[in-house]
Amino acid sequence: AQSVTQLDSQVPVFEEAPVELRCNYSSSVSVYLFWYVQYPNQGLQLLLKYLSGSTLVKGINGFEAEFNKSQTSFHLRKPSVHISDTAEYFCATLPGGGADGLTFGKGTHLIIQP
Amino acid sequence: NAGVTQTPKFRVLKTGQSMTLLCAQDMNHEYMYWYRQDPGMGLRLIHYSVGEGTTAKGEVPDGYNVSRLKKQNFLLGLESAAPSQTSVYFCASSYVREQFFGPGTRLTVL
Repeated sequence: AQSVTQLDSQVPVFEEAPVELRCNYSSSVSVYLFWYVQYPNQGLQLLLKYLSGSTLVKGINGFEAEFNKSQTSFHLRKPSVHISDTAEYFCATLPGGGADGLTFGKGTHLIIQP
Repeated sequence: NAGVTQTPKFRVLKTGQSMTLLCAQDMNHEYMYWYRQDPGMGLRLIHYSVGEGTTAKGEVPDGYNVSRLKKQNFLLGLESAAPSQTSVYFCASSYVREQFFGPGTRLTVL
């Protein structure tokens, strides 16, 4: 069975500073990887996804992530955060077949301090 | 397009009551999913469907039933609600790999 570990439950960062949210996955088969963002009292919105090809993936709102197969990681980064980035961020994997549901990490709460 | 919609947005039940949550999508997606979100737990898959008339169990299916009589709708039922089912429920749909989520239903069981 697949699992996803988000190493930090909460990350406080000052506005305009860079941030990295860490995600590690375990799988014996090829995986597809996703980062979702959840703003307060809202549903989940896709930030970016890795399906194949380039290991550096760019998403919306200036976020990017790098797929590292040898370290089984998919860390999310942004060079300069804004107050509006305050949200819960979820890393997720999908088995190779695509029809099964996503396996989510427990989430990382990004707190932007002015 | 409305995308994925969920009805109702909020609901309070007493232990032992039953209810049905409705998910509808207008994107003609084959796959649909029900997840629950609990604090510190992320989202966990309850049931899913790969097409009209088919359903399958996810990670946490106990206490829930589902039906997919029409391609655009996926119903989640609680026959006898328990306080442990207090949660936020999200529906999602997908065509291939990217899942689109609804706004959620906040359910409280007293």
